[in-house]
Amino acid sequence: AQKITQTQPGMFVQEKEAVTLDCTYDTSDQSYGLFWYKQPSSGEMIFLIYQGSYDEQNATEGRYSLNFQKARKSANLVISASQLGDSAMYFCAMRTLMDTGRRALTFGSGTRLQVQP
Amino acid sequence: SQTIHQWPATLVQPVGSPLSLECTVEGTSNPNLYWYRQAAGRGLQLLFYSVGIGQISSEVPQNLSASRPQDRQFILSSKKLLLSDSGFYLCAWRRQGERQPQHFGDGTRLSIL
Repeated sequence: AQKITQTQPGMFVQEKEAVTLDCTYDTSDQSYGLFWYKQPSSGEMIFLIYQGSYDEQNATEGRYSLNFQKARKSANLVISASQLGDSAMYFCAMRTLMDTGRRALTFGSGTRLQVQP
Repeated sequence: SQTIHQWPATLVQPVGSPLSLECTVEGTSNPNLYWYRQAAGRGLQLLFYSVGIGQISSEVPQNLSASRPQDRQFILSSKKLLLSDSGFYLCAWRRQGERQPQHFGDGTRLSIL
């Protein structure tokens, strides 16, 4: 079975500092994709960054980067130079083969990040 | 550009009443479509997904059903709502392709009384 684990229910970071949000996963698939989403208090889910299991380089998108360690099955999100607007829930998700034979996303339980001035 | 519309934004319904939530996508064709439910303070649970008109897959057995009458329209329904159906419902679409992310609507907050 596929599983995504986010062990940090809540994190605090000072404005302008970097923060790492942890994500570990479990799958028997050789081909899978990892996604990070941000959910502000308004509720919408905003796509941040993607890492494919065969990608040789860690993904980066602006202030977001993904520390992908395949052997450890971890895909931690690093946010550099935190801003007050980064305060939100962050979800790690994995796209892999479901029991129905289709590929779909499995989400972790999320980490609530609060950026302090 | 592509947009996804989901309505209503909030809904309060009595136990036993029917439900219909609608989601439409603009600016793309033949998208994969998804319905998720999010309990308070929790992650997203996939309810249904569709790869084409009339093609619906259900991930979990439940009191809900989904339909896709048109290419870019996805409807979540129930004949008789339960208290446990309360939650935040999100619709999402995705282009075909391994690296394509899902793009979400603004969600519907459903409260069952």
